[in-house]
Amino acid sequence: GAVVSQHPSRVICKSGTSVKIECRSLDFQATTMFWYRQFPKKSLMLMATSNEGSKATYEQGVEKDKFLINHASLTLSTLTVTSAHPEDSSFYICSAVDGGTGNQPQHFGDGTRLSIL
Amino acid sequence: QKEVEQNSGPLSVPEGAIASLNCTYSDRGSQSFFWYRQYSGKSPELIMFIYSNGDKEDGRFTAQLNKASQYVSLLIRDSQPSDSATYLCAVNNNDMRFGAGTRLTVKP
Repeated sequence: GAVVSQHPSRVICKSGTSVKIECRSLDFQATTMFWYRQFPKKSLMLMATSNEGSKATYEQGVEKDKFLINHASLTLSTLTVTSAHPEDSSFYICSAVDGGTGNQPQHFGDGTRLSIL
Repeated sequence: QKEVEQNSGPLSVPEGAIASLNCTYSDRGSQSFFWYRQYSGKSPELIMFIYSNGDKEDGRFTAQLNKASQYVSLLIRDSQPSDSATYLCAVNNNDMRFGAGTRLTVKP
């Protein structure tokens, strides 16, 4: 149980392109999902907390107009990197919690490796 | 002071030995504690969670929690080369915080 699917797994695109990443909870409902970014050999960096039916909560220093998050249903959150540039190249990972935050673990998707040329 | 602290390593142990990974946290109100394993280039996967003081065993893994000392550890018995990965400690008090991870290498 507690499977999180993330798509696509890899994206290579030109500078200026907008890229959408999907995160789905397959066998549970997730009122809260999280988006992380990770550079090589570095720790996870929380970008934002995505709440179903409301606006996402962004961490300090994360541009909300650059990284658009939509959590339209209990099983789907999307992250759109708008007008991507080479410095946006990174490993993006989503996670979801079964039944709200509380004491439950986060279950991670497989991640999306984004490369901007 | 970081909220969740781990020794970055690398921690190197021989195959068959016990690997001991440690984590301290600053929020005394933390209620749940998790260990994730992350292979290079992959996303984290949950391997253990613990809520109460004491030990919790699952196969070759044992999580140990001491809330008074604000300390949680993970022991891996009979370490295998396939256990080589970065281990992330996560602490939750309605807001999960991750440590930076300890890189473990198990040498054949």
